[in-house]
Amino acid sequence: DSGVTQTPKHLITATGQRVTLRCSPRSGDLSVYWYQQSLDQGLQFLIQYYNGEERAKGNILERFSAQQFPDLHSELNLSSLELGDSALYFCASSVFLAGVNEQFFGPGTRLTVL
Amino acid sequence: SQQGEEDPQALSIQEGENATMNCSYKTSINNLQWYRQNSGRGLVHLILIRSNEREKHSGRLRVTLDTSKKSSSLLITASRAADTASYFCATVLQTGANNLFFGTGTRLTVIP
Repeated sequence: DSGVTQTPKHLITATGQRVTLRCSPRSGDLSVYWYQQSLDQGLQFLIQYYNGEERAKGNILERFSAQQFPDLHSELNLSSLELGDSALYFCASSVFLAGVNEQFFGPGTRLTVL
Repeated sequence: SQQGEEDPQALSIQEGENATMNCSYKTSINNLQWYRQNSGRGLVHLILIRSNEREKHSGRLRVTLDTSKKSSSLLITASRAADTASYFCATVLQTGANNLFFGTGTRLTVIP
């Protein structure tokens, strides 16, 4: 158990809909990262937040957005869903130790868009 | 894309044999990490090697890093059926954010 929690575990929805994925980082970790794992794109970095502020952006679509709240939990919002958005979505939180940023991953949310 | 590539894509060995997976990447890195994933589940961090290190050990795992060739290898010795999983290398770039760039993964099957 990494200490990172994600809800829900599974989500099934229809095209055009909007969903919210939630992540709670490990206690004390200020950074949250979101990644998407799909069959055709592999594991891709989406976005990072640090203590409530957006820190880095990867291959995140404009239909997707995220935020990190004062209690450090984060939400990833996916809107106007398409079939191709079906994927595993992971969040990770990190601690900076001895010059290295080690990331701990949650169990993921499996999104199925029908 | 800065995503790495892993070789082989799939590997099948007998229990007790050693398994070697290779990873190549494109840009200068701060560190390289190996992760394990069981069947579409969460990613488990295995080992991290910094750019100024050449070799690192952790239990039955041995990782090497050759920054001149931009490549790394993961060796699992005396494999067990429980080692069956997908293995990913992930790099953190020398400059910029600390997000991970993942390789394409190697699917390892250890036959009992």
